Amino acid sequence: KAGVTQTPRYLIKTRGQQVTLSCSPISGHRSVSWYQQTPGQGLQFLFEYFSETQRNKGNFPGRFSGRQFSNSRSEMNVSTLELGDSALYLCASSPSGQGLGNEQFFGPGTRLTVL
Amino acid sequence: AQSVAQPEDQVNVAEGNPLTVKCTYSVSGNPYLFWYVQYPNRGLQFLLKYITGDNLVKGSYGFEAEFNKSQTSFHLKKPSALVSDSALYFCAVSGFSGGYNKLIFGAGTRLAVHP
Repeated sequence: KAGVTQTPRYLIKTRGQQVTLSCSPISGHRSVSWYQQTPGQGLQFLFEYFSETQRNKGNFPGRFSGRQFSNSRSEMNVSTLELGDSALYLCASSPSGQGLGNEQFFGPGTRLTVL
Repeated sequence: AQSVAQPEDQVNVAEGNPLTVKCTYSVSGNPYLFWYVQYPNRGLQFLLKYITGDNLVKGSYGFEAEFNKSQTSFHLKKPSALVSDSALYFCAVSGFSGGYNKLIFGAGTRLAVHP
């Protein structure tokens, strides 16, 4: 099976712009989660989608949003970009939203730089 | 509040020697514990997990981890380190308050294996 894919891999934006990142989960996986990784804050959970519904949300401002499509592909959007949004954004998929302790499979990430 | 602590920013070990990367956790209820590894410019790769049962868990690439409930620890171990094991290692916990696919990560420990 192909792994989790994320596009684009690298992105440079300026403050105030908005950005959309895309994630395609492993075939058959219905749960997609997003994480932000920065040197200062480490890995932080953004949100999780299962069957097109947001099930969990981390402590991020409303500028961060996401959605999931019927084929389980997911996008996340960041509006009004700030310098502090520069980070590696990781997407992860797992087989079932109901399974306890399912491991998550991560994509390579999208490196976002905000100038 | 749920949390994961990795007390060492970096661990240095000579190739061929045993290695230990430490992790302690604080959660309410039963913990589901994970170890992930991250190589430069890559996403996270799953190594192993503890759900229930045997306290010694074996995972990928010869790694294992020991769950200790009384000490709330889940240390990662390998009997003989390889230079190729040099990477960033993350301990994580999930399975609380309904957020089964929400991982709380430790800050990470950089493992450096010297020839």
